[in-house]
Amino acid sequence: SQQGEEDPQALSIQEGENATMNCSYKTSINNLQWYRQNSGRGLVHLILIRSNEREKHSGRLRVTLDTSKKSSSLLITASRAADTASYFCATDAGKSTFGDGTTLTVKP
Amino acid sequence: DTEVTQTPKHLVMGMTNKKSLKCEQHMGHRAMYWYKQKAKKPPELMFVYSYEKLSINESVPSRFSPECPNSSLLNLHLHALQPEDSALYLCASSLRQLYQPQHFGDGTRLSIL
Repeated sequence: SQQGEEDPQALSIQEGENATMNCSYKTSINNLQWYRQNSGRGLVHLILIRSNEREKHSGRLRVTLDTSKKSSSLLITASRAADTASYFCATDAGKSTFGDGTTLTVKP
Repeated sequence: DTEVTQTPKHLVMGMTNKKSLKCEQHMGHRAMYWYKQKAKKPPELMFVYSYEKLSINESVPSRFSPECPNSSLLNLHLHALQPEDSALYLCASSLRQLYQPQHFGDGTRLSIL
C-alpha cells in the first residue's frame, strides 16, 4: 500500500470556503511534502514540513504535522476556482512516495 | 511554463517500435527522476539518478531503459512496450536526492497501440 494515504479521496466545495485534506503515513520520515497537480499537468511543489516542525504557513496554505499520529493536514483557506486540482502528500522514507491524492473541486 | 522540459508531449507507438522520452533542466539540480502515472493514480517512482549515476531502479521492466548523458539531461528509452505501459511519464529534478522539493515537467502522454 502507499506510504501516504490521503483523506478524503474527493472534496467539492464552494468558492470562498476552506478545504482540508489529510494524509497518513506508515514509517518514520524526515520531511513531508504537499504537491498540487492540475489536470494534464505535472506536479507543483506547495510546501515542505520537516519532522521537527508542527505547523507551517505559505500564503493561503497551512500544513500541520503530527509525527506521533503519523499524519499531516493541508488547509486551503478562502478557496478559489483555480485551486481545483489533485493534491498529493509525499514522504521521503528513503525515497519519494506519493499518497493516493485528494481531488478538490472548487465551484465558482 | 515549467523549468523542467519534457519532449514529446504526446507519443503514440506500436509494440515493436523503439522511441525515447527526453527531459531537460537547467537549474543545476543533481538528482533527476522518472515517474509513471496512470489516470486518477499517484505518480509511481521508476528511476532516480544522482550525480548522473543510477541510484534507484524500482524493479522496472527492462523494456524501459534510462540514460543520463549529463547533469541537465535525462532520457527514457522505450522498446517492445505493452498496452499496459500507456500512461503519463513524468520527469522531475531536485537539488539533491531525497529530502528536497522536486520540480516536475508536464509529462509525456504515451499510448501503446
